Amino acid sequence: KNQVEQSPQSLIILEGKNCTLQCNYTVSPFSNLRWYKQDTGRGPVSLTIMTFSENTKSNGRYTATLDADTKQSSLHITASQLSDSASYICVVTDRGSTLGRLYFGRGTQLTVWP
Amino acid sequence: EADIYQTPRYLVIGTGKKITLECSQTMGHDKMYWYQQDPGMELHLIHYSYGVNSTEKGDLSSESTVSRIRTEHFPLTLESARPSHTSQYLCASSKIKDRGSEVATEAFFGQGTRLTVV
Repeated sequence: KNQVEQSPQSLIILEGKNCTLQCNYTVSPFSNLRWYKQDTGRGPVSLTIMTFSENTKSNGRYTATLDADTKQSSLHITASQLSDSASYICVVTDRGSTLGRLYFGRGTQLTVWP
Repeated sequence: EADIYQTPRYLVIGTGKKITLECSQTMGHDKMYWYQQDPGMELHLIHYSYGVNSTEKGDLSSESTVSRIRTEHFPLTLESARPSHTSQYLCASSKIKDRGSEVATEAFFGQGTRLTVV
């Protein structure tokens, strides 16, 4: 069964600190993995995308890693800011068809305190 | 900034009423989706469309229906709302990926409609 599991479920950190969010998946065949940021009451917005051949990708203070062998990804946030408080969702796309099916994790709820 | 819009943002309605949630995108995307999301839970696909006159049911059974008469428009309708329909509904769109490409194109999401049925 294709699944995406994220940990931790929630996380509280102080402003300026770093944190790492985890994503494990069983989606096969794998096409790509995206991390989305979802602010409360809004739709998700893409942060990074990683394909099978990519190990790491950065977008400002966000750095995503991918280990396609172990089917694990992480999102590292550096020097957190209050505006980073949101849910971070790992989304894996399969390669089973031209249309690419999306599989969503439940998200990690990150709260940054001043 | 994604060009996909949902209206209304919030809706409180009585049981038994018919409602339509609107979703429009100006990016010319062929693929459109409707997801349902409860607080703290993952997004569940309830409907999707490959293009005009194409609609399919998603993983989560839903009493709602959709239509795709125009590329840019993908409305969702509930004929008779019930309290169990209370949830957030998210619309998304993406391009069909290029044949042979490993990269599925990004799904752009609307702001969502928070529906409360009382």
